[in-house]
Formats: sequence, C-alpha cells, structure tokens
Amino acid sequence: EAGVTQFPSHSVIEKGQTVTLRCDPISGHDNLYWYRRVMGKEIKFLLHFVKESKQDESGMPNNRFLAERTGGTYSTLKVQPAELEDSGVYFCASSQDSGHNSPLHFGNGTRLTVT
Amino acid sequence: GDSVTQMEGPVTLSEEAFLTINCTYTATGYPSLFWYVQYPGEGLQLLLKATKADDKGSNKGFEATYRKETTSFHLEKGSVQVSDSAVYFCALSSKGGGNKLTFGTGTQLKVEL
Repeated sequence: EAGVTQFPSHSVIEKGQTVTLRCDPISGHDNLYWYRRVMGKEIKFLLHFVKESKQDESGMPNNRFLAERTGGTYSTLKVQPAELEDSGVYFCASSQDSGHNSPLHFGNGTRLTVT
Repeated sequence: GDSVTQMEGPVTLSEEAFLTINCTYTATGYPSLFWYVQYPGEGLQLLLKATKADDKGSNKGFEATYRKETTSFHLEKGSVQVSDSAVYFCALSSKGGGNKLTFGTGTQLKVEL
C-alpha cells in the first residue's frame, strides 16, 4: 500500500508570503495528524482530523495557520502570512483508529524555510 | 502536561559499539512509550513500543524497557552499524489523549567505520 505522501518536500518562501502544504494519508485512514519540528527542537503536535472534522486543534500556534480536510481524504495546511519562526519540518501522519496504541504512519515531511 | 526528555546529541560511535540513548518522561497515568527513527531523507518510522510497565519493546536489535519507577525508556543496542545512523525520537501517548504523541527533541546518531 502507498504510504503517507506530502507535497512539496521543500519550500522556500519570503516572509509575508503564503504557502500551502499538502498531505495524502494512507487510503482508508480516517485519522490524520499534523506535526511540526522547529530546528533542533521537539516535534510538536499541531492538530488531528477524524475524517473531515477537527478533533483536536490545540497545537495550532496562531490564526495564521489554517488546516482543512475537505471530503475526509487529503489535507492541506496553509500558512498566511508566513513568519520567520514558521520555518521547520512539517510532518503529516495517519492512522486507522485513534486508540493510544494505534501506530501512526508518517510522511517524509515538508521542509519549510521562511527568509 | 506531558513531556519527554532525551539526551542531546549528536552521538558519534564506532561500528560495533554499544549504544544507549536516555529517555525520561512525565505524564499522568500510564502512557504508552515509543521510539521513532528518522533515516536521512525519510519520514519517521516506528522503531519499537511498550504499552505497560516492565514491557520490553524490541526491533532490529534495538531494545527499550518501560521503567515506571524511574519513568524511563532508554534505547539500547549492543552493536551498532553504519546503517543505524539516523535521528532517534522518544515519544509517549497518554491513555486519555488517543494516539496524539508527545515527542522528545531527538538524538542524532552517527556511526563511523
């Protein structure tokens, strides 16, 4: 089966611009997560979708970040306007169910650089 | 809140050396504990996990034991290979938090010939 795919793999934008990241989860996985790793720091949870609904968005840093999952398939994460501190690697993960022992399958990440 | 602390890297070892990467955690209740690995150019992969006290997770020669009394989940391997060079992340998920993960900062391991 195809794994979690993320696009683009790298993005370099200027401060104030807009960037949209995309994640395609494993087919049939209702649960989709976004995480972020700022340089050298821990990977932090951003939000969790169950199908098209936001189950938990407690990790979203501010209202410059907008995540959507229309139709409960792929998800997008838009940053508008981007700031320097938004630079980092954005990971997407999916799982079949949301039990605390259910394994997450991660994508390769999108490396975002804001200059 | 939940937190994970792991030893800072980078860690550089010679091939066949013994590896320990320390990980301690703070969580309410009894979380599940994980080690994830990120090889160069790839995404995060689950390396091993343990779901209750005294459980030992193991995979690819790596082991970690869930120690409730010391709130630790140290990663060990008896003989590392160059192919083990990667970034290793310790993580937990709390019972009430679904499978939302709390990660440590990651430890970069470089194994040289």
